[in-house]
Amino acid sequence: DTGVSQDPRHKITKRGQNVTFRCDPISEHNRLYWYRQTLGQGPEFLTYFQNEAQLEKSRLLSDRFSAERPKGSFSTLEIQRTEQGDSAMYLCASSYGGGREPQHFGDGTRLSIL
Amino acid sequence: LAKTTQPISMDSYEGQEVNITCSHNNIATNDYITWYQQFPSQGPRFIIQGYKTKVTNEVASLFIPADRKSSTLSLPRVSLSDTAVYYCLYNSTLTFGKGTMLLVSP
Repeated sequence: DTGVSQDPRHKITKRGQNVTFRCDPISEHNRLYWYRQTLGQGPEFLTYFQNEAQLEKSRLLSDRFSAERPKGSFSTLEIQRTEQGDSAMYLCASSYGGGREPQHFGDGTRLSIL
Repeated sequence: LAKTTQPISMDSYEGQEVNITCSHNNIATNDYITWYQQFPSQGPRFIIQGYKTKVTNEVASLFIPADRKSSTLSLPRVSLSDTAVYYCLYNSTLTFGKGTMLLVSP
């Protein structure tokens, strides 16, 4: 069973650097979601794609954040000029269909900003 | 703002049945209710999903009253490995609350 895969699992970087995370969804899933989670909180929605189209973005997604899903397959989330407050777990999920179906999550990328 | 409300934490002992209730104040007519389980350093895992009345699978049951303003996740005979955070979510919102931290003791 190939689930949602995220890479890297951990990323440590200095403030001001750019970072990019990758998510490979379950192959037949057309929807892909990005969330951010900090300690003691539930996942916070950032954005989602249906195929290659980015359909919704949260206000949490500042202009330093950009996500892409070329060809409707894998997705990347880039954070430019990282700040201390960007330290979090970044989770990717995918689902099949129009949004009613359950999401399947990867195990996330933990970002630590020094 | 669409929001779910759950107890922050619950304690139980091995072998007991645990019921976790979630209130959904703005659920839409076509929303489904989904429950997830999350262990530390892992992503949430799907447990069960329902629209109304009762749904049962191999790990849990989900009870949804007729007004659909709440739902109750029932875990039969919990074990130590059920210690985790449990979240309810309805699909139109994509908003997780803080979840319920379930601690199962021997």
